[in-house]
Amino acid sequence: AQKVTQAQTEISVVEKEDVTLDCVYETRDTTYYLFWYKQPPSGELVFLIRRNSFDEQNEISGRYSWNFQKSTSSFNFTITASQVVDSAVYFCALSEGADGLTFGKGTHLIIQP
Amino acid sequence: KAGVTQTPRYLIKTRGQQVTLSCSPISGHRSVSWYQQTPGQGLQFLFEYFSETQRNKGNFPGRFSGRQFSNSRSEMNVSTLELGDSALYLCASSPTSGESYEQYFGPGTRLTVT
Repeated sequence: AQKVTQAQTEISVVEKEDVTLDCVYETRDTTYYLFWYKQPPSGELVFLIRRNSFDEQNEISGRYSWNFQKSTSSFNFTITASQVVDSAVYFCALSEGADGLTFGKGTHLIIQP
Repeated sequence: KAGVTQTPRYLIKTRGQQVTLSCSPISGHRSVSWYQQTPGQGLQFLFEYFSETQRNKGNFPGRFSGRQFSNSRSEMNVSTLELGDSALYLCASSPTSGESYEQYFGPGTRLTVT
């Protein structure tokens, strides 16, 4: 069973639209960490955010915001007023124990001008 | 600070050969992790090195191995290459080992096995 599920394989929106990327995770640990990474066409994964399991506060960073809900095991990512430069593959990842990051399959976000 | 660097960026090998990939972490970072990215399996954890010791390993055969040097630089080796080993190999570094630390990734080495 997948530990991190990103059900949206590909999303295409027009520039300036808001878009939400979904992430659902599965763990039995009480202490864990969730991450979002961006992978532009160049291939390098870019760290966006880290959230620990004890901090359910939502976070906003410019046009980016994250909604963490333990009750539904979700850690969703919203881009407000999307821009063409936001086009990339976005990965949600889970870190529990010492087994490295477990990534979702990624969501390919296409922002059309 | 310079980011994570990986060499070479591209590599073409033949089945049965072996290959060594190199990763230099961000200055001051002591933990290095390796990941394999393929279209079918996505991003998968290979192993992590910290203080020249392998801390943990993902579900990969013994043909995949690695090591870390005293300056924290790491190498990954794949022996007896198979077609299925064609992938983007990503290296990531973090200040120390532990689940709470964000990992910073390099640009990757794209390995093609023919």
